[in-house]
This record gives sequence, C-alpha cells and structure tokens, in this order.
Amino acid sequence: DIQMTQSPSSLSASVGDRVTITCRASQGISNYLAWYQHKPGKVPKLLIYAASTLESGVPSRFSGSGSGTDFTLTISSLQPEDVATYYCQKCNSAPWTFGQGTKVEIK
Amino acid sequence: QLQQSGPGLVKPSQTLSLTCAISGDSVSNNSVAWNWIRQSPSRGLEWLGRTYYWSKWYNDYALSVKSRLTINPDTSKNQFSLQLSSVTPEDTAVYYCTRDLRGPWGQGTLVTVSS
Repeated sequence: DIQMTQSPSSLSASVGDRVTITCRASQGISNYLAWYQHKPGKVPKLLIYAASTLESGVPSRFSGSGSGTDFTLTISSLQPEDVATYYCQKCNSAPWTFGQGTKVEIK
Repeated sequence: QLQQSGPGLVKPSQTLSLTCAISGDSVSNNSVAWNWIRQSPSRGLEWLGRTYYWSKWYNDYALSVKSRLTINPDTSKNQFSLQLSSVTPEDTAVYYCTRDLRGPWGQGTLVTVSS
C-alpha cells in the first residue's frame, strides 16, 4: 500500500505568519490528494481536493499544490481560528490512506 | 445528510456495529462510494473501508482491519453498516461515515471498548 508521510508533526507560528505543511506519497498518485482540517470535537472539514482545488466556502488563505509524490498545504496568513490538526489523504485507488497529521498552534 | 446510530460502549472481543442512514441520496448511487473513517488521539484519522455500487457491489478495506471488518449496504433502508469483530481497547475511537470524498460526514460516534 502507498504510505503518506506528513511533516512536520507539529508547528507553532505567530498570527499572520505563512505556514507550510508537506505531504509525501511513497508512490506517485498524480493529483489525487485532499487536505482536511480537524478541530477537537468537530467533524473533519475538507479544505482542498485534487491537490489544489479549494473546497467551496474555504478561506482563500488556504492553498494546495503538488503532483506525483510531493504536495504542500499553505496558509498564507495564519489566523487564530486555524488552530487545528491538518491531514492529507490520498484518494486515487483504495485504501484512501491519511497522513499522520500536523498539529498547528499559535505562538 | 448522514445519520449514524449504534452503541457507544462495546466489550473487548465483541463486535462493534454501527449504521449510517442516508437521506438525499441513494446508497446505490453508482457515482459515489460510502466510507467509514475513525479518529483517535493515538492514530489520528484512519480510513477503514468503503462500499460502492458499479453494476454490482464492491468493498475495499484497510489492511489494518481487513480481517475483522465488514461493510454492508442495505438498499431496503437506504443505509450502510460497519461491523468490526474481536475489538480491543485500541479500537476505541470516534467513528464517522462519509459520502465519497466531498462529504457530507455523519455526526460521529464515540465508541469505547471496555469491560
């Protein structure tokens, strides 16, 4: 099975900072990648699908890029409400494996 | 919309059973897959498996649970179910049902495995 590896596992940044999270697939998955935001006690929220397509209603400060094996989620200006754990997920063929998550906190 | 139901407490070695009732769509929709995902502090988000209809019914399961997991569609009730056998405390998690990639998601069910 294809493994998904995220880095870093956690980060702390200031409000207004640019934040970048990376996700690497052990084999190429074209652009079949999604990014989720998960806050405690809430249902996970889809941010981006097809590697770079912003889901409806998601703030434009979130963006995604990449193809093949290397992908990036960028928050252009970190806001307090962005404190959460972020996950990537491959979604070409089954299994739709998630990365291990990146916890984002405010410094 | 997806509405989950099932017990919140299961004893070790028993079978965990959850149901996801679908409204506004059909479990037999041949354009979407119906998934089960769980979340725990130790494992994060974990995709468990899916069922979908494409001229016939298909299932896919994560390797980590493949020997213990069954996902079944129920066309008469327009729902799908999860059955996870031989549970241990490591199966304690919030379980979610989801429609394909873009959702929606069920409300989540906290299942605790404990005697």
